[in-house]
Amino acid sequence: QVQLVQSGSELKKPGASVKVSCKASGYTFTTYPMNWVRQAPGLGPEWMGWINTNTGNPTYAPGFTGRFVFSLDTSVSAAYLQISSLKAEDTAVYYCARGRTYFDYWGQGALVTVSS
Amino acid sequence: QSALTQPASVSGSPGQSITISCTGTSSDVGDYNYVSWYQHHPGKAPKLMIYDVSYRPSGVSNRFSGSKSGNTASLTISGLQAEDEADYYCSSYTSSITLVFGGGTKLTVL
Repeated sequence: QVQLVQSGSELKKPGASVKVSCKASGYTFTTYPMNWVRQAPGLGPEWMGWINTNTGNPTYAPGFTGRFVFSLDTSVSAAYLQISSLKAEDTAVYYCARGRTYFDYWGQGALVTVSS
Repeated sequence: QSALTQPASVSGSPGQSITISCTGTSSDVGDYNYVSWYQHHPGKAPKLMIYDVSYRPSGVSNRFSGSKSGNTASLTISGLQAEDEADYYCSSYTSSITLVFGGGTKLTVL
């Protein structure tokens, strides 16, 4: 069965970096795009962008350029989200989700807490 | 791109029907039949309930249905059950080639 398993919670200080992983199984990784979605406490989800798992080409949503990097390791069917220069407002649950105009499978989410 | 507008909360008794609205603009909901709905129990992965306005994925109960009129999409849940209590989010493709979510609706089964 299709599964997206994400890395665990992270506690980081402002200015640090974090890398969240999303390991896929149960399907051919390169046949579906992978998206990243952020959900800050008490707010609705925000689409951060997607990465073409065939070409590795990322597309970032407005507001998620510069400090955010999507990457892949197709040899292990994994997608990664790296956030640099972390700020308190980056505190959120980060989800990976498979699809293009809708997301049929989601990871369980990775809580990133930014606090001094 | 502004978030889609959903009511903060809705409630209903077991067996009743409820409808959750999702209002966007002519640049998203009104212009594309790419509206989807997600059920989210806190601490778990969100679950796709409806895609492309009104299609149900395999395994989703037919008590869930979706529709759209103009800039507003709707999710209807009939025959409410206790396990339907969750947060529900809508999403739409946009003319900016992005995706936008709603702020979410908390469904309480009384």
